[in-house]
Amino acid sequence: DIVLTQSPDFQSVTPKEKVTITCRASQSIGSSLHWYQQKLDQSPKLLIKYASQSISGVPSRFSGSGSGTDFTLTIDSLEAEDAAAYYCHQSSSLPITFGQGTRLEIK
Amino acid sequence: QVQLVESGGGVVQPGRSLRLSCAASGFTFSSYAIYWVRQAPGKGLEWVALISYDGKNQYYADSVRGRFSVSRDNSKSTLHLQMNSLRIEDTAVYYCARDGTLYSTFYYYIDVWGKGTTVTVSS
Repeated sequence: DIVLTQSPDFQSVTPKEKVTITCRASQSIGSSLHWYQQKLDQSPKLLIKYASQSISGVPSRFSGSGSGTDFTLTIDSLEAEDAAAYYCHQSSSLPITFGQGTRLEIK
Repeated sequence: QVQLVESGGGVVQPGRSLRLSCAASGFTFSSYAIYWVRQAPGKGLEWVALISYDGKNQYYADSVRGRFSVSRDNSKSTLHLQMNSLRIEDTAVYYCARDGTLYSTFYYYIDVWGKGTTVTVSS
């Protein structure tokens, strides 16, 4: 199984700060890595597909990069509404796996 | 608008069965693969099952293989998850979710999620 390890598990950040969340795969997955945001008591929402492809309707402050085993989700100029858990997801091979999640708290 | 609505959750004893349903609207259901993904209380996301757009291919997580079965009725835009021999550790919110690729027989990314239905396995 491909294990996805996110870091950090938790981060407390201030508005307008730049945030970087990393996702490391236990083996190379090319660009088959996607990012989701899940706000409290809501279902997840797709933010980035295939490591760096933007999604219509998602604010431009969200961006992704990486390939192979190391991936990054960047949030430029954090806003209060970005308080949420963030998950990476790999679709390179079965079983489909998710990272353990990164929880962002806004100070 | 594009929508997935899960139903059928509830409280059930260990060893019993439950059938979840997912009703789709706002898109051509028969053109998309659909996932079941679950989330235990306070935990992260766990993939459970996937069925191809035409229903011919099903994939399962090891934790549910042999106990859960996914099926779809494209004429009714409905997906089902039959859950047998339920265990305490199956307690979770169950989401149905759409693969973002047309006519996918494999797995890509999830672009639409339902709001989920809660399954509690408890004696």
